[in-house]
Amino acid sequence: SQTIHQWPATLVQPVGSPLSLECTVEGTSNPNLYWYRQAAGRGLQLLFYSVGIGQISSEVPQNLSASRPQDRQFILSSKKLLLSDSGFYLCAWSDPQRNYGYTFGSGTRLTVV
Amino acid sequence: AQRVTQPEKLLSVFKGAPVELKCNYSYSGSPELFWYVQYSRQRLQLLLRHISRESIKGFTADLNKGETSFHLKKPFAQEEDSAMYYCALKAGGGNKLTFGTGTQLKVEL
Repeated sequence: SQTIHQWPATLVQPVGSPLSLECTVEGTSNPNLYWYRQAAGRGLQLLFYSVGIGQISSEVPQNLSASRPQDRQFILSSKKLLLSDSGFYLCAWSDPQRNYGYTFGSGTRLTVV
Repeated sequence: AQRVTQPEKLLSVFKGAPVELKCNYSYSGSPELFWYVQYSRQRLQLLLRHISRESIKGFTADLNKGETSFHLKKPFAQEEDSAMYYCALKAGGGNKLTFGTGTQLKVEL
């Protein structure tokens, strides 16, 4: 069966420090991969999505970037964190051949101090 | 651009009462709609899809293209239904989902 792993679960980072959040999927091939940010009262905002290795689409301008170095690995990064980057980040995958919706990871709570 | 609107941030009902969580969408193409649910301390998970026309945990949702709505309904609320509910619209390439802001459902005894 397919599983999605996301880590770390929580992270406290100082302003100006770099960031790397990792997401991996098991049990499937060529998944579509997504990074969302969930904020109270604002729902889920799509940050990046990827339909293949090295293919990244950005949905909103921001201080973050994403990479997909392997088929089932999706990384969210920043060179210098801002206070406004604090939030709850969710990774998700979907099967492009089927319309079963998304499967989400457990999320990362990022606090920038 | 597509948009999903969930007008209620919080909906509080008594156990056994009917539930209706509202969702309206704006999209020029043919919509595909979903409801996701997040129970306390659990992952966000798919509840149901409009194309399946299914009932999950007693919940149903009918796509009304005339009113551009996809309201989630359940005739008799249970305490375990208390959760955050998100409506989502699939649009554009990459199977992207646009989510609403969510409605917190609280079922009181």
